[in-house]
Amino acid sequence: ENVLTQSPAIMSASPGEKVTMTCRASSSVSSSYLHWYQQKSGASPKLWIYSTSNLASGVPARFSGSGSGTSYSLTISSVEAEDAATYYCQQYSGYPWTFGGGTKLEIK
Amino acid sequence: EVKLVESGGGLVQPGGSLRLSCATSGFTFTDYYMSWVRQPPGKALEWLGFIRNKANGYTTEYSASVKGRFTISRDNSQSILYLQMNTLRAEDSATYYCARERGNYDYAMDYWGQGTSVTVSS
Repeated sequence: ENVLTQSPAIMSASPGEKVTMTCRASSSVSSSYLHWYQQKSGASPKLWIYSTSNLASGVPARFSGSGSGTSYSLTISSVEAEDAATYYCQQYSGYPWTFGGGTKLEIK
Repeated sequence: EVKLVESGGGLVQPGGSLRLSCATSGFTFTDYYMSWVRQPPGKALEWLGFIRNKANGYTTEYSASVKGRFTISRDNSQSILYLQMNTLRAEDSATYYCARERGNYDYAMDYWGQGTSVTVSS
């Protein structure tokens, strides 16, 4: 099983700040199969970034994704209050698909 | 508009069974892989398994944690996805989501239901 470790588990940022969260895999993942989801409290997850760097429909351009191999990241260039959520990475490199433990982003 | 609506959750005793349904609309159901994902209260998402599309013979894959106890199936005539859960344990208590793989075989899930809650307790 390919274990995904997300860091930090919790982060706090002020509006306008740039933030980066990471997702590290225990084995290499093709960039085509690494995705990010946003989940707000009490809501279902939403696909946010697919295949490492492609923004899902409706996702603001201040979000970006990058990475390769075992290290991936999600960056918000200028955080806004509406970005408060937990972000999960997910991978496919064989079965099972796995999710990371999540990074909770809090806005100051 | 794509819609996924889960139902069938509730309280069940340890060792019991439950069948969850996911009614879908707004897309050609047979063209898509469909997954089940769960989330225990306050914890992370866990992929349980999926069923492939018509082009790939509706075959299934499961995580080790549920293989042999849970079965994913689909009624293609009614566009409904099912999750049959047997021999339930306390650790199966979670919100259960159905989700659609976005159709590009990259295994990203682009639409999710609202979830249905399952509690396993005596």
